[in-house]
Amino acid sequence: DSGVTQTPKHLITATGQRVTLRCSPRSGDLSVYWYQQSLDQGLQFLIQYYNGEERAKGNILERFSAQQFPDLHSELNLSSLELGDSALYFCASSPGGVNTEAFFGQGTRLTVV
Amino acid sequence: EDQVTQSPEALRLQEGESSSLNCSYTVSGLRGLFWYRQDPGKGPEFLFTLYSAGEEKEKERLKATLTKKESFLHITAPKPEDSATYLCAVLGPTGFQKLVFGTGTRLLVSP
Repeated sequence: DSGVTQTPKHLITATGQRVTLRCSPRSGDLSVYWYQQSLDQGLQFLIQYYNGEERAKGNILERFSAQQFPDLHSELNLSSLELGDSALYFCASSPGGVNTEAFFGQGTRLTVV
Repeated sequence: EDQVTQSPEALRLQEGESSSLNCSYTVSGLRGLFWYRQDPGKGPEFLFTLYSAGEEKEKERLKATLTKKESFLHITAPKPEDSATYLCAVLGPTGFQKLVFGTGTRLLVSP
C-alpha cells in the first residue's frame, strides 16, 4: 500500500459526459501528479500541483482540468468525454522536494462507452 | 525534450535464468532516474532512484545501475513472482517533478 488513495476504482460512462476522479495523497506529501496510461501509450504526465498551486503541465487536453484543495486532496475533472479517453488514470504524490520519488495510487479505470 | 527508451519490450525467462533490462535516456541535466514495477491493473510501485553515473542499488534479486546514457535493471535468479512490467523514468531539469516514463519491459518468469 503506497498510502495514495484514488476513488473510484472503476468508472463507466457515456460519451459526452463529465466525471471527477479523486486522489488523497500520502500523509505529509504536498505534491500531487496526475498521469494517464492507455494501452498504446505509456504513462503520460498530465499535471502537477504543489500545495494548492499548479506547478507543471503536460499534454493535458483542454477538456480536462484539475485542482488541489486546502486539505491537499486533488480532483481531476474530465468533460465532454470521448471513446479515446478510456484509460487508467493514476495519481501520485511526493513530499515536493527535488529528486524525491513519487508514490502512485492504484488508479481509476475509466471506460467511455 | 526528455526521452526514455526501454528494451526489450517483452522478455520471457525461465525461473533462475538471470538477465538484464535496458533503459536508454536522453535528458539534459539528469536529476534522477527511477525504476518502478507495475503489475497488471495496478499502480506503479517504486523500486529505485539513481542520481549519478556509476551508482548502483540492490533490492533482493534486483540490481539497478546507471551510466551517462543508460540504466540497467539486472535480475538475478528470477522467480515467477518477479513477473511484471518494469518501468524506467527520468527527471530532467525542467519541470518541478515531471517524470518522463518509458513504455516498459514486460517480464514473464516461468517456473
